[in-house]
Amino acid sequence: GAVVSQHPSWVICKSGTSVKIECRSLDFQATTMFWYRQFPKQSLMLMATSNEGSKATYEQGVEKDKFLINHASLTLSTLTVTSAHPEDSSFYICSATPGTGNYGYTFGSGTRLTVV
Amino acid sequence: LAKTTQPISMDSYEGQEVNITCSHNNIATNDYITWYQQFPSQGPRFIIQGYKTKVTNEVASLFIPADRKSSTLSLPRVSLSDTAVYYCLVGDGGNFNKFYFGSGTKLNVKP
Repeated sequence: GAVVSQHPSWVICKSGTSVKIECRSLDFQATTMFWYRQFPKQSLMLMATSNEGSKATYEQGVEKDKFLINHASLTLSTLTVTSAHPEDSSFYICSATPGTGNYGYTFGSGTRLTVV
Repeated sequence: LAKTTQPISMDSYEGQEVNITCSHNNIATNDYITWYQQFPSQGPRFIIQGYKTKVTNEVASLFIPADRKSSTLSLPRVSLSDTAVYYCLVGDGGNFNKFYFGSGTKLNVKP
């Protein structure tokens, strides 16, 4: 149980274009999802908290207009990297939880974004 | 916001028991301690979670002292496939349980 699916697993895009990454909870409803970014040989950095039916909460230093998050249903959150640049190339990972409480969060398999 | 500190890396040999300690001095009363394993180019995978004393599951044990300011993940008889980065996380119970990752511990298991 508690499976989180992330799509695509990798994507290459041209500089200036936008890329959408999907995060789905397959067997539970996720009122809250989180988006992380991970650069090579570094730890995961929390980007934002995605709440179903409301605006996402972004961590300090994360541009909300560049990283658009939509959590329109209890099973799907999307992260759109707008006007991507080579420095946005990274590994993006989502995680999900059914709700508040101290659960073991489930992480997606990640999306490798390469901007050329 | 509870911050965690772990050794950057550890080496071990196949068949040995490995203990990875994590420091979390300002853990909150409601916070749990959770450990994750991450392989390259994959999302973190849940290993074990605990609040106090000892927790054991099929893959690991978690030891938490009474003051809860640290915790130790114990992996019995590691194999080469246990080579990965291990993260200790403390749940920020008052803020939608956001997890902030520390540096993690890179475990290298040698034959």
